[in-house]
Amino acid sequence: NAGVTQTPKFQVLKTGQSMTLQCAQDMNHEYMSWYRQDPGMGLRLIHYSVGAGITDQGEVPNGYNVSRSTTEDFPLRLLSAAPSQTSVYFCASSYSFRALYNSPLHFGNGTRLTVT
Amino acid sequence: KQEVTQIPAALSVPEGENLVLNCSFTDSAIYNLQWFRQDPGKGLTSLLLIQSSQREQTSGRLNASLDKSSGRSTLYIAASQPGDSATYLCAVTLGAGSYQLTFGKGTKLSVIP
Repeated sequence: NAGVTQTPKFQVLKTGQSMTLQCAQDMNHEYMSWYRQDPGMGLRLIHYSVGAGITDQGEVPNGYNVSRSTTEDFPLRLLSAAPSQTSVYFCASSYSFRALYNSPLHFGNGTRLTVT
Repeated sequence: KQEVTQIPAALSVPEGENLVLNCSFTDSAIYNLQWFRQDPGKGLTSLLLIQSSQREQTSGRLNASLDKSSGRSTLYIAASQPGDSATYLCAVTLGAGSYQLTFGKGTKLSVIP
């Protein structure tokens, strides 16, 4: 059982480049989300989705786009990378958005992104 | 805005000791509180989830308590082992209609053999 799979594991971008971080889960989870983790800042929510076709903004959405065309996939797009987006990005999912109230989040192993 | 604080930021203990990690939050209107473990270079693994109506949860050598009215939770680790070395984070889910978790910055635990 793969769980939550994130690709790539590492990525280096130049300022202004665009890229997509991939996230896929094989647990038929309704709820999916993206967090970034920065030293001294902790984990902060970027975007989340409560089901296919439904997305919403979290605490730090600027500079990122998401879409949810299937239940399994929730890609995160950086439109024009900036050094401030250097971070470790985590995708997390849960059985349903209602289950957030009584079910744990499952995390991927992260993508370490450096923007120069 | 909900804020979650974890003290201490780092803790080093000899193997075999019992220890307590602390988590406090500013808004008591939470649905649940979760404790996670994060190993270096890895994602987070959920350890315990406490519903707002519950006072504690136990799993093996771990026991988490919740005092919602005072905005505090503790994670108790009994008979610590070197394999317990990791960063421990707590997170709260706010009330109805919120699908966001607010995380603390974590406590980095080192258990010395």
